[in-house]
Amino acid sequence: GAGVSQSPSNKVTEKGKDVELRCDPISGHTALYWYRQSLGQGLEFLIYFQGNSAPDKSGLPSDRFSAERTGGSVSTLTIQRTQQEDSAVYLCASSFISGGNTGELFFGEGSRLTVL
Amino acid sequence: QKEVEQNSGPLSVPEGAIASLNCTYSDRGSQSFFWYRQYSGKSPELIMFIYSNGDKEDGRFTAQLNKASQYVSLLIRDSQPSDSATYLCAVKGVGGGNKLTFGTGTQLKVEL
Repeated sequence: GAGVSQSPSNKVTEKGKDVELRCDPISGHTALYWYRQSLGQGLEFLIYFQGNSAPDKSGLPSDRFSAERTGGSVSTLTIQRTQQEDSAVYLCASSFISGGNTGELFFGEGSRLTVL
Repeated sequence: QKEVEQNSGPLSVPEGAIASLNCTYSDRGSQSFFWYRQYSGKSPELIMFIYSNGDKEDGRFTAQLNKASQYVSLLIRDSQPSDSATYLCAVKGVGGGNKLTFGTGTQLKVEL
């Protein structure tokens, strides 16, 4: 597609349920990032995938959060046993990283998660 | 100390004035620096990037980097109401690798 596609755009769930958020990056982009943005806050780094390297999971807030990237393309962020504090906009971004380029991040429109 | 720090604002400037947005970072090994603009309810979009000390100009925008002081800024000349948004400073290379670490953003309001 032309841009980073995320689904669902909105998700309302009950506390304790599991949710899956999907990200389809720009074709050919080697890097994929997940960030979380709470209301009025900055972007909180969650996880970063680059090619076939081991992902940087240093931002995942707890073991309830996990992510995978299949075939170097689509990524799924899974939140198990959701809590109210998980409510936020989850942003996915992709970039093409190679020697010398800036690795500009292109963001999707985000998935707004509300945990009741 | 936060890895990337910004004043949350709001910063209010009159139309036509220069808006100055500042950012400091903690990791001296940081490699590249980015300014993103985020309109309310929208996703961030890249305004400028800089990785060498000094100034970099692009239209009404100038990014300034001082690695010795661990300081990066964004100047917006002839500010317009359409510039009203939150400006996010982002730093690549904090702690090594290609992870991009964002500040909390500065809200800019350009008043008529």
